[in-house]
Amino acid sequence: DQQVKQNSPSLSVQEGRISILNCDYTNSMFDYFLWYKKYPAEGPTFLISISSIKDKNEDGRFTVFLNKSAKHLSLHIVPSQPGDSAVYFCAASGFHGGATNKLIFGTGTLLAVQP
Amino acid sequence: DVKVTQSSRYLVKRTGEKVFLECVQDMDHENMFWYRQDPGLGLRLIYFSYDVKMKEKGDIPEGYSVSREKKERFSLILESASTNQTSMYLCASSPTGTDIYNEQFFGPGTRLTVL
Repeated sequence: DQQVKQNSPSLSVQEGRISILNCDYTNSMFDYFLWYKKYPAEGPTFLISISSIKDKNEDGRFTVFLNKSAKHLSLHIVPSQPGDSAVYFCAASGFHGGATNKLIFGTGTLLAVQP
Repeated sequence: DVKVTQSSRYLVKRTGEKVFLECVQDMDHENMFWYRQDPGLGLRLIYFSYDVKMKEKGDIPEGYSVSREKKERFSLILESASTNQTSMYLCASSPTGTDIYNEQFFGPGTRLTVL
């Protein structure tokens, strides 16, 4: 059973416009969420995160919004650039008392930013 | 910068062969992880380790084993490779500390093909 879902396998956006990537989760015990970006033939790299005590976190062009009641988070990229073209994974975690923090990943969304 | 390296970028093996995938991290992280990435399935956790000689099963451990004899090195072993183990294998590491949540740092991945 997929606990973290990214229902859009792909998204195409014009350069300069906003990209919105969505993620839904089912486990109410998740309280920390991350977005990773992955280029082909490279490992994922951390992009931005949000704790469940917040509903928004911003870092430059990237903003993550969390709606706990809907169990939904989204990543906004404004303005989108061709170099943002990659696969984006959302991931969720629950606190395990300071021990290993397992991440549950979504299936990924391939973002293509058209020049 | 955290560096996670994987022994091979591309590997081709025959069905029934024993396969070793090696991962080394240079940041003294306690936690190490092995994932596989498949189209439409995202990243799925195979095994993880939170200390030397300690290991825990992830979501899809069948057909795999792991070894962690030294803190910096985490090996994934396919005892008898099968064609359904053709995949991208990703290693990651993360620290355990006073911060509750710690991002995972990924290696570049090993593309394994089993013929």
